[in-house]
Amino acid sequence: EAGVAQSPRYKIIEKRQSVAFWCNPISGHATLYWYQQILGQGPKLLIQFQNNGVVDDSQLPKDRFSAERLKGVDSTLKIQPAKLEDSAVYLCASSLDTGGYETQYFGPGTRLLVL
Amino acid sequence: DAKTTQPNSMESNEEEPVHLPCNHSTISGTDYIHWYRQLPSQGPEYVIHGLTSNVNNRMASLAIAEDRKSSTLILHRATLRDAAVYYCILRENRDDKIIFGKGTRLHILP
Repeated sequence: EAGVAQSPRYKIIEKRQSVAFWCNPISGHATLYWYQQILGQGPKLLIQFQNNGVVDDSQLPKDRFSAERLKGVDSTLKIQPAKLEDSAVYLCASSLDTGGYETQYFGPGTRLLVL
Repeated sequence: DAKTTQPNSMESNEEEPVHLPCNHSTISGTDYIHWYRQLPSQGPEYVIHGLTSNVNNRMASLAIAEDRKSSTLILHRATLRDAAVYYCILRENRDDKIIFGKGTRLHILP
């Protein structure tokens, strides 16, 4: 079974530029998550989708971050404009369904450096 | 805020058992105890989870205290590939959010 795919793996941009990350979850997984992981910290949830609807985006900085999951499969996360403090690893995860017992499967992440 | 407390780091010798502790004194009756680990330059991966009884799988064992206020992840025979950050997480039955703390960084000595 293929895992969660993310691209690109690495990205370097200058502040005020825009950037987009792509995620392809495990086939059949209804729930998709985007996390931000700053160096030395645990991942922090940015947004959660159930199929193509947003369940929780309370931690998403909506003035600069946006995310969509068209057709309930792939998802993109965009930052526009980027700030220095956005330098982090952006992780995508998916699970079969919702619920505290469901396992989340994580992708390898996209490492973003903002100069 | 994370509802669990873990040591920042631990060391263990290769091929020896490792016991990773986690305190969760405010756990409620519907909270599942989950463990994830994150190897260097990878996303977190699921290790094990339990509710009340001890659990075993091919990766590890989870020992849960009788009052459920603490638990221990047991790696029976550590290898160098087990060097990672281990996260202990509480998840409510109907809430699929994972709130990560800082975890325990496990170093394996050859």
